[in-house]
Amino acid sequence: GAVVSQHPSRVICKSGTSVKIECRSLDFQATTMFWYRQFPKQSLMLMATSNEGSKATYEQGVEKDKFLINHASLTLSTLTVTSAHPEDSSFYICSARVLAGGLPYNEQFFGPGTRLTVL
Amino acid sequence: EDKVVQSPLSLVVHEGDTVTLNCSYEVTNFRSLLWYKQEKKAPTFLFMLTSSGIEKKSGRLSSILDKKELFSILNITATQTGDSAIYLCAVIPAGKSTFGDGTTLTVKP
Repeated sequence: GAVVSQHPSRVICKSGTSVKIECRSLDFQATTMFWYRQFPKQSLMLMATSNEGSKATYEQGVEKDKFLINHASLTLSTLTVTSAHPEDSSFYICSARVLAGGLPYNEQFFGPGTRLTVL
Repeated sequence: EDKVVQSPLSLVVHEGDTVTLNCSYEVTNFRSLLWYKQEKKAPTFLFMLTSSGIEKKSGRLSSILDKKELFSILNITATQTGDSAIYLCAVIPAGKSTFGDGTTLTVKP
């Protein structure tokens, strides 16, 4: 199956700092990547849809100036949590929708997630 | 608004039991339904279903979709403790995916 990587896997930062999380599709191209947030014992909450070469589409209630998304290439999307606060502490997961590479179209593959803790 | 409902929310069984997890949905422009297994980290893909009545199988797991009644089931036979996880169902319409709340399966030895 397709592989999606995320970096870092875990980050602890001080309140007020910014944190960048990278999401890469390693062996396929993905025009669309999704960013999710998951709180303990809850399901995935979609934050935004990231399309290569265009602006991300944010879900209602997600501040686009706080969660900056950049999708610079068909294999890389980044999420920057700006001026992070303790309430931003969560598990952030990206997924990539397959475009090509011999894999079924429309299938989503998830990265391993990034655990963010803001002190 | 698109909606995905999974049931039960939680299930505890013993090794060797067979379980059936349910996922019902209401979406516009349905394209596919996906099942994922989530243990400690991010979800791992299990099945993608696009057509009614065609069972997908992988080892002890199988799944089927009913597009008329708008639901899917995930079956796990001869459960093992390693099957303990949250099972997520997601529906992909033309736009973004919608996830259900998941079913937490616990398999006791």
